[in-house]
Formats: sequence, C-alpha cells, structure tokens
Amino acid sequence: QSVLTQPPSASGTPGQRVTISCSGSSSNIGSNYVYWYQQLPGTAPKLLIFRNNQRPSGVPDRFSGSKSDTSASLAISGLRPEDEADYYCAAWDDSLSGFVVFGGGTKLTVL
Amino acid sequence: QVQLQESGPGLVRPSQTLSLTCTVSGGSISSGGYYWSWIRQHPGKGLEWIGSIYYSGSSYYNPSLKSRVTISLDTSKNQFSLKLSSVTAADTAVYYCARGHRFVTGTATSHWFDPWGQGTLVTVSS
Repeated sequence: QSVLTQPPSASGTPGQRVTISCSGSSSNIGSNYVYWYQQLPGTAPKLLIFRNNQRPSGVPDRFSGSKSDTSASLAISGLRPEDEADYYCAAWDDSLSGFVVFGGGTKLTVL
Repeated sequence: QVQLQESGPGLVRPSQTLSLTCTVSGGSISSGGYYWSWIRQHPGKGLEWIGSIYYSGSSYYNPSLKSRVTISLDTSKNQFSLKLSSVTAADTAVYYCARGHRFVTGTATSHWFDPWGQGTLVTVSS
C-alpha cells in the first residue's frame, strides 16, 4: 500500500485534458514539494514536474502540476497518443527520520 | 550529460545478499551536490525508494529497508553500490539507480531523481 494515493487508471481521447490526482498527508504533501514522474512502457521513469509545478527543460507546457493542502494534481492538456504511460507522484515524508514516498502510479490510456 | 548504468547478478538465492553497482558517466560522483540513489519497482507495481548517499558519505534509507541496506561509493571507479541482505522473493524487482537532488528551504524538503539508469531485473529464487 503506497503512502500517496493515486487512481490506478485514467483515460482520454486525443486533444482532451486529463487530470491525475495524488492524495497524501500533512507529513508529506502537506509540508513538502511534490514531484511527478512519467514512465513510458518498458522504460525507466523520467522527471516530469518538480517543486509542485515546475517543468524541466524539454517537457512540453501541456504538462502542468498543482498542489493544495495535502493533495496534488497533474494535468495534461492536448492529449497525444505518446502520452500513454504510467505517472507517479512523489514527495518527502517528514515522519520517522524522513524518507521519499511515491504514489502507486496511474496508468494513462489514450483512447 | 550524466548517464547511469546498473550491473550485477540477475538471480540471487533466498537469504543471500543482493549486490548491484551503478556506473556513472559524464560526471563525477565526488563533485558534490548530488545524492546517489537506488529505487526499485516490483513487477507490475509502483516505485519504492531504497536509499540515497551523498559524496561525503552521509546517507538516507527507507525505514522499511534500513536494517538490510547498505549504499556505498567508490569514487576511484565513479561507481556506487547497493547491498541488500537476507533477501526473499519479495525483493524480486527491477532496481534503478539515479542521481538524486536534495533541497531544503524553510520547513520544506525536496528529494527527487534525475536522471535514472535503465534498470536491472533481479529475481530472488532458489
């Protein structure tokens, strides 16, 4: 059971806007930054969003992140077939001695 | 740009120690500023952070694995390693190495990973 909660699946048609949620608690999302990773089929995860809503260079502005209290969201606008992938949220958790926690992942299907 | 590559046995016997090495190219692991990290992914499942080590030797481990994990640096070879002891079938996973970043501001802590190695599958079986 992952510390951060994501829906297991999401879907959309090309051109649509989809959002993926990530729910945590006061010890992780509530007090620290949220990160998002994209894992294309058969590949390693890649950093998609850092510090809640910042995009690394090379990531299209179709991808955006937001955070409110103990939840975060990833939005993908203008959905493309190549966006079909697993998406993971992550954050630092202040409990115990501190550690990184991930969501269980959301499989995005482009219909 | 920095690239990472995992290597090590693909099969480990139960109760033995899993040992993996990550070779870093395109940058020095002793240059400072980064936390060299291991993350794993059970088959068909999500990601689990194992731990991270700074070039100075300070380290952070997942509390659930801390008693069995050792991460170390070999700056002469520009490599870092993972040792996970007393493995069981539950440790079967794809193991990724990654360059970790850590940033603390006020009361907010960040710890993220970029880039990642391609991953290596380790199966625990007799």
